[in-house]
Amino acid sequence: EPEVTQTPSHQVTQMGQEVILRCVPISNHLYFYWYRQILGQKVEFLVSFYNNEISEKSEIFDDQFSVERPDGSNFTLKIRSTKLEDSAMYFCASRTRATNEKLFFGSGTQLSVL
Amino acid sequence: SQQGEEDPQALSIQEGENATMNCSYKTSINNLQWYRQNSGRGLVHLILIRSNEREKHSGRLRVTLDTSKKSSSLLITASRAADTASYFCATATNAGNMLTFGGGTRLMVKP
Repeated sequence: EPEVTQTPSHQVTQMGQEVILRCVPISNHLYFYWYRQILGQKVEFLVSFYNNEISEKSEIFDDQFSVERPDGSNFTLKIRSTKLEDSAMYFCASRTRATNEKLFFGSGTQLSVL
Repeated sequence: SQQGEEDPQALSIQEGENATMNCSYKTSINNLQWYRQNSGRGLVHLILIRSNEREKHSGRLRVTLDTSKKSSSLLITASRAADTASYFCATATNAGNMLTFGGGTRLMVKP
């Protein structure tokens, strides 16, 4: 069964550094998402991306965050200057064109900001 | 305000028993979905129920939806130790294409 792939599985960085989290969504999917989950807390929406542009974003997704689909397969989340509170598990997800259907999630990247 | 709040936050049962988890939400929805998360892993879709449906079954899972009360329940029958995980409800509205997740219920099934 096709799956969403995320790399790396763990990322440790120093506060103030830039990080790029990478995702390969399922190949025929058209909508892409980033969510994050701080340890023990709820899964929070960050951003959705469709047709090469952001379609929705949350208050968490401020100017320090950006997303990109640099080629036909990768979908990246960049955090320009990481803060301690950015430490979380970041999940990429994708879905087909069908509206309001289920999301397929990757296994996540655990980001630790020291 | 929170959209999608599960209760209980944690549930511990014996293998073979049924597990019921509840979810409440605040705004009108297009559909409600349940996901499972094993510790430290990604979320896996379990079942989707649309706003015009009241009940849905999938294997040992039964989901109900009461739009008048803005609530849903997930019932896992004849639980197994392998059902141990966190379960999240997520709502989709007509306005956007994102899902909003609740806080989850941590289910432990003891063998």
